Amino acid sequence: DSGVTQTPKHLITATGQRVTLRCSPRSGDLSVYWYQQSLDQGLQFLIQYYNGEERAKGNILERFSAQQFPDLHSELNLSSLELGDSALYFCASSVGSVGETQYFGPGTRLLVL
Amino acid sequence: DAKTTQPPSMDCAEGRAANLPCNHSTISGNEYVYWYRQIHSQGPQYIIHGLKNNETNEMASLIITEDRKSSTLILPHATLRDTAVYYCIVSTTSGTYKYIFGTGTRLKVLA
Repeated sequence: DSGVTQTPKHLITATGQRVTLRCSPRSGDLSVYWYQQSLDQGLQFLIQYYNGEERAKGNILERFSAQQFPDLHSELNLSSLELGDSALYFCASSVGSVGETQYFGPGTRLLVL
Repeated sequence: DAKTTQPPSMDCAEGRAANLPCNHSTISGNEYVYWYRQIHSQGPQYIIHGLKNNETNEMASLIITEDRKSSTLILPHATLRDTAVYYCIVSTTSGTYKYIFGTGTRLKVLA
């Protein structure tokens, strides 16, 4: 158990819809990272927040957005969903802002029909 | 753009050492080498990291060449539970975060 929690575990929705994925980092960790993993693909970094502020951006689509709240939990919002957005979405956390060991949550499996 | 190169797959007999290579020829002085693994579709799990010295923990050993252009992760006595995809990553300790996972090495431990 990494100490990172993600909800929900599974999500099934339809194209065009909007969903919110939630992540709670390990106690004491200030950074939250979001990754997308499509079927049999590697992990694609989406975005990082550190202590409430956006710190780094990867290959995140404009239809996707994220935020980190004062209690340090984070939400990833996916809108106008397409079939290709079906994937595993992982959240990770670390103590600092760059280059540190990341601890991953169990992921949210999103299926867009 | 992955900064590391790993073989796509490897097999290892149970009980034997698994040696997983990684090439990171463009690594810079302030970049660490990290290893993670992902068992089935679970969240990746941190294994070990190092800068230039060899490192060992309860899970594995990390051997980094003197020129730091390559490294090897060693699982000393592989078990069936070590079957996973292993990712080698270089991570800067300054500036903007860059964690590029690539496709990793799929290790299969055989009974």
